[in-house]
Amino acid sequence: EAQVTQNPRYLITVTGKKLTVTCSQNMNHEYMSWYRQDPGLGLRQIYYSMNVEVTDKGDVPEGYKVSRKEKRNFPLILESPSPNQTSLYFCASSATGDEEETQYFGPGTRLLVL
Amino acid sequence: QKEVEQDPGPLSVPEGAIVSLNCTYSNSAFQYFMWYRQYSRKGPELLMYTYSSGNKEDGRFTAQVDKSSKYISLFIRDSQPSDSATYLCAIYTGGFKTIFGAGTRLFVKA
Repeated sequence: EAQVTQNPRYLITVTGKKLTVTCSQNMNHEYMSWYRQDPGLGLRQIYYSMNVEVTDKGDVPEGYKVSRKEKRNFPLILESPSPNQTSLYFCASSATGDEEETQYFGPGTRLLVL
Repeated sequence: QKEVEQDPGPLSVPEGAIVSLNCTYSNSAFQYFMWYRQYSRKGPELLMYTYSSGNKEDGRFTAQVDKSSKYISLFIRDSQPSDSATYLCAIYTGGFKTIFGAGTRLFVKA
């Protein structure tokens, strides 16, 4: 089954404790992206990757890091989480990332930073 | 001004009603418009995709783009309780970037 998986689905942590949210896709897609979803603000892009070792900032990259060492995986790293990073996070992938490609979203990771 | 604006609702309608969901956008250069549906505790999934102006129909769903007004709409005919979800408009802005509206929560009552 074609899918995007994220782990963990739910996470409670404390300010400053480094964490990683994993994302994996089994569709051999080149393009992957991370979004955060907040009430009233919709989905906002954090980082995206056009292929292995190629990443770029989205609209809200501050406080986040990403890496793309393998095509299927695109982890999101919060080196020193803060309460304003409490949010619902989605990973997405598409074949090429251009305008005609559907983005497939993972199930989401709900993060609470105390 | 936000690049795309969408009323968050919620919008509550009886089963069988025609639903109209709308977004406005600011940049007249945008060409690729999408509607995503998001069920509770799930990721968004693509519903409809439209290029430039005009209508596109898929079953009970119709997407409409009015570039002169910078207005995009999604119509749902004969709405069903299973249509209850959050609907997000989205616009491909180029450079591998898509911007999303805030989403409108829709409730269809049986």
